[in-house]
Amino acid sequence: AQKITQTQPGMFVQEKEAVTLDCTYDTSDQSYGLFWYKQPSSGEMIFLIYQGSYDEQNATEGRYSLNFQKARKSANLVISASQLGDSAMYFCAMREGPRGSTLGRLYFGRGTQLTVWP
Amino acid sequence: EAGVAQSPRYKIIEKRQSVAFWCNPISGHATLYWYQQILGQGPKLLIQFQNNGVVDDSQLPKDRFSAERLKGVDSTLKIQPAKLEDSAVYLCASSLDRSYEQYFGPGTRLTVT
Repeated sequence: AQKITQTQPGMFVQEKEAVTLDCTYDTSDQSYGLFWYKQPSSGEMIFLIYQGSYDEQNATEGRYSLNFQKARKSANLVISASQLGDSAMYFCAMREGPRGSTLGRLYFGRGTQLTVWP
Repeated sequence: EAGVAQSPRYKIIEKRQSVAFWCNPISGHATLYWYQQILGQGPKLLIQFQNNGVVDDSQLPKDRFSAERLKGVDSTLKIQPAKLEDSAVYLCASSLDRSYEQYFGPGTRLTVT
C-alpha cells in the first residue's frame, strides 16, 4: 500500500487566490511526522512545513498552513495569496517513528504540479 | 549558511559504465541521506548515514550501488555497472542529529544511454 497518496497530478490557481493541495497517508505508527516540500524546475527540494502527529495545532509557516485531520489521515497543504513564484511541484512526505529517532526515511507521494496564472 | 552541495549536476553515461556522485552536507549535520527520484515520481531513499555509519540501506541495490561517508562529512554514491533504469535524479539531503527537517541539495541528473 502507498504510504503517501497525492491524488491531484496538477492544480491551477489564479494569482492572489488560495489553493489546497491534498495528501493522505497510511501508517500504523502512533508517532510520525508529515512534511511538505516544494520542487521548482531547478530540481532542489525546498522544505516548507512540518506537522507532528501529536501536535494539537495545525502548523503554519507564513503563507503555508497544513490542514491536519488525524482521524481522516489527511495532511493538506494550503497556500494563501498565491504568487507566480509558487508554480512548482509539491510533494507530501511522511516520516514514521518519534522525533529524534535515527531512522529518518521519508516516504514521498508522487507530487502535485501547481501552476499559478496571472 | 551554505546549503547541501552536490556534483556533478548532470552526467550522461552508457550502460555498463560506472559513475560516482559527491555530496557535501550542511556543516554540523550528522545525518546524510541519498534519494533516487525517477521522472514523475517522488524521491525514494537509497541509504541513510548517521555520522559515518550506515543506518538504513534496505532499498539500496547492493549488487551495483555503493556509498560511503568517510570521516562523517562528505559522501559519495557509486553505481557500477549502470543500467538504463538507473536514469534518475540523485538527491542528497542532510539533517541535524535528532531533527526532522531534511535539507536537500540540487541533485545530480543521471542519464544512462
